[in-house]
Amino acid sequence: NAGVTQTPKFQVLKTGQSMTLQCAQDMNHEYMSWYRQDPGMGLRLIHYSVGAGITDQGEVPNGYNVSRSTTEDFPLRLLSAAPSQTSVYFCASTQIAGTGGGTGELFFGEGSRLTVL
Amino acid sequence: EDQVTQSPEALRLQEGESSSLNCSYTVSGLRGLFWYRQDPGKGPEFLFTLYSAGEEKEKERLKATLTKKESFLHITAPKPEDSATYLCAVPTMTTDSWGKLQFGAGTQVVVTP
Repeated sequence: NAGVTQTPKFQVLKTGQSMTLQCAQDMNHEYMSWYRQDPGMGLRLIHYSVGAGITDQGEVPNGYNVSRSTTEDFPLRLLSAAPSQTSVYFCASTQIAGTGGGTGELFFGEGSRLTVL
Repeated sequence: EDQVTQSPEALRLQEGESSSLNCSYTVSGLRGLFWYRQDPGKGPEFLFTLYSAGEEKEKERLKATLTKKESFLHITAPKPEDSATYLCAVPTMTTDSWGKLQFGAGTQVVVTP
């Protein structure tokens, strides 16, 4: 049972470089999201998606792009990395609440630790 | 603006020393409150969902309770394996999807033998 898989686990970038953090889930969840976690600030929502072809911004979307071409995958792109984007990134998924039958329980990946020099 | 505040930031307990963590929130029309556990270097793991004031849920040495303004996570006779950061979260009002959560900063619990 893979659940939510994130790659890479660790990455070091130089300022201005771009990269993509990969996220895949095998639970057929409609909802997927990206959070960043910084010391003392908790988890903050970057972008989320309620299904293939549908994405929306969270609390801290600037500097990040997402797309959702399949139910399984939800990559996060850093367009031009900045030191302020040094963080731990978590992908999470869940079944949609209400008619989707979900209870809101988020399933998280193990995290991707990004350092921007 | 919806806010979630957890206290204390850190808690050091002796094995067997019971204590409580607090999560206070300022959201209108609460549609659930979630507790997660996070071990170092890992993603958060779901513990409980509470839906209405007065509700309680238990799992091993953990018991979560909910009032109209706050939630408590009680740890009874903790063991070293209960050491973790405990996060609470509430759904924001701008979405119907409970996956869009606002998290508190967490309480880091260390239980020593």
